[in-house]
Amino acid sequence: GAGVSQSPSNKVTEKGKDVELRCDPISGHTALYWYRQSLGQGLEFLIYFQGNSAPDKSGLPSDRFSAERTGGSVSTLTIQRTQQEDSAVYLCASSLDNQPQHFGDGTRLSIL
Amino acid sequence: AQSVTQPDIHITVSEGASLELRCNYSYGATPYLFWYVQSPGQGLQLLLKYFSGDTLVQGIKGFEAEFKRSQSSFNLRKPSVHWSDAAEYFCAVGFMEYGNKLVFGAGTILRVKS
Repeated sequence: GAGVSQSPSNKVTEKGKDVELRCDPISGHTALYWYRQSLGQGLEFLIYFQGNSAPDKSGLPSDRFSAERTGGSVSTLTIQRTQQEDSAVYLCASSLDNQPQHFGDGTRLSIL
Repeated sequence: AQSVTQPDIHITVSEGASLELRCNYSYGATPYLFWYVQSPGQGLQLLLKYFSGDTLVQGIKGFEAEFKRSQSSFNLRKPSVHWSDAAEYFCAVGFMEYGNKLVFGAGTILRVKS
């Protein structure tokens, strides 16, 4: 596609459930990033992929959060045993090396 | 630690008036600098970027920004605001040694009154 695609666009789930968020980057983009946007914390970096490896996972808030990227393309962010504080918009971005990041429209996650 | 400050949470300007949104950063060297805009329910759209060279950069939608090294600032300007510019604006810095991950300011919400 022409831009970064994220799915689902909205997700409502119960506390304690696991969720998977998907990101399809722009074709050919080697770098992929996940960010979280919440009212209290603003926009925060979570994890960065270069190809399939993740050299920087420093922003993942706890071991309940994990992410993977396969085939140098699609990435999945998984949150296990969700908590109410996980409610936020999760944004994915991709880029060519040392070029600006292009963002998807995000997944709005609501934990009941 | 790297940080980005946008001191104005909200700004209201009249349509046709000029606009300046402030951004300061804290870092030991010159980072990459960006301004993004976000409309409700949307992702972030890149307005402009500064990597090196000319310190006055032009972006889309008539926006420009000026990098001032001595002030660690990268303020966004537009000479004449349109009602469609109402949105939230984020300044961000990217650090090459950290894989170009972005550190964002808190954002400035722009309201345009007719």
